[in-house]
Amino acid sequence: KAGVTQTPRYLIKTRGQQVTLSCSPISGHRSVSWYQQTPGQGLQFLFEYFSETQRNKGNFPGRFSGRQFSNSRSEMNVSTLELGDSALYLCASSLAGASDTQYFGPGTRLTVL
Amino acid sequence: AQRVTQPEKLLSVFKGAPVELKCNYSYSGSPELFWYVQYSRQRLQLLLRHISRESIKGFTADLNKGETSFHLKKPFAQEEDSAMYYCALSGGSARQLTFGSGTQLTVLP
Repeated sequence: KAGVTQTPRYLIKTRGQQVTLSCSPISGHRSVSWYQQTPGQGLQFLFEYFSETQRNKGNFPGRFSGRQFSNSRSEMNVSTLELGDSALYLCASSLAGASDTQYFGPGTRLTVL
Repeated sequence: AQRVTQPEKLLSVFKGAPVELKCNYSYSGSPELFWYVQYSRQRLQLLLRHISRESIKGFTADLNKGETSFHLKKPFAQEEDSAMYYCALSGGSARQLTFGSGTQLTVLP
């Protein structure tokens, strides 16, 4: 079956702009989690959605938000971009959540200038 | 709060030598622990999980609740084992994976 896909793969934005990233999970997976990966902080959990509901949120400011659609596809949005938001954003899907095997996408590389 | 510590950022061993990647965790309940691996130019993927108690690609990991550790071991390292290894913890109703900072393993010929 097809793996997790993320679009776009690369993105360049300037400070103050907003950005929307998309994640399509493996068919049948209802849980989608988002992570921010940076050299300094490593992999940090952003939030998890299950059946269109946000079940958990990491320690990130309110500028980071997300949603999940009825087909389990998920988007995350970052408003008022800051230089420090430059990172690789990974999404992962699973059948039921963190205790299940997470299948990761290739990531979206966001650069904020 | 849950925390995962991987004390070694870099680890180099020679082919055929034993390898151990350390992972310590902090969690008050009963955790579920995982090792994820990222090979060069590939996606992050699950290597093994403590609940299944299986050996994958020759790697094993035992959960030691007394020492709060979940070290990853392989008796004879291979060059293809060179990768970034992440230890991760999922605890209770947290419904999130907390990752360690990762260990870059290099197996030298």
